[in-house]
Amino acid sequence: SQTIHQWPATLVQPVGSPLSLECTVEGTSNPNLYWYRQAAGRGLQLLFYSVGIGQISSEVPQNLSASRPQDRQFILSSKKLLLSDSGFYLCAWNAGTAAYEQYFGPGTRLTVT
Amino acid sequence: AQSVAQPEDQVNVAEGNPLTVKCTYSVSGNPYLFWYVQYPNRGLQFLLKYITGDNLVKGSYGFEAEFNKSQTSFHLKKPSALVSDSALYFCAVSAYFGNEKLTFGTGTRLTIIP
Repeated sequence: SQTIHQWPATLVQPVGSPLSLECTVEGTSNPNLYWYRQAAGRGLQLLFYSVGIGQISSEVPQNLSASRPQDRQFILSSKKLLLSDSGFYLCAWNAGTAAYEQYFGPGTRLTVT
Repeated sequence: AQSVAQPEDQVNVAEGNPLTVKCTYSVSGNPYLFWYVQYPNRGLQFLLKYITGDNLVKGSYGFEAEFNKSQTSFHLKKPSALVSDSALYFCAVSAYFGNEKLTFGTGTRLTIIP
């Protein structure tokens, strides 16, 4: 069966510090991968998605970036965090087309102080 | 462009009563529709989806949803609510084969009252 991991589970970082969140998927190959941010426990904002190694599509042109160095690894980064980057970050994967449901990781709670 | 509307931020239902969480959508072409549930500080869990075929879709935990093309709706239903159904529910839509992105609604908080 497939499993998706995210770490860390929680993170408190000062403004201006760098960020690296990691997501890995087990039990499947060539998945589509997604990063979402959820603010205040409500709507999801799609940040990035990837259909293959090195292929990143950005939905939100802010101070965040994403990379996919391996088939089942997706990394969210920032060089300098802003207060507005606080939120709940969710990674998800699906089997590669819009007809397939996305499966979500447990999330990372980021607080920027 | 594709969009989803969940008109109710909050729905309260007495335990044992039927529940409905509403969702309407807008897409070009045929929609792919999904329902997800989120418990506090957890990731989203997939409940059910409509791709094609029977308009009534059955999913996890006794939930079902009815696709209505003329009303562009995909309401989530359950015949008898449990306290454990209390959570945040998201409707999502995608369109046409090859579009990898889902658009989510803003969520409906469902509270089941014992």
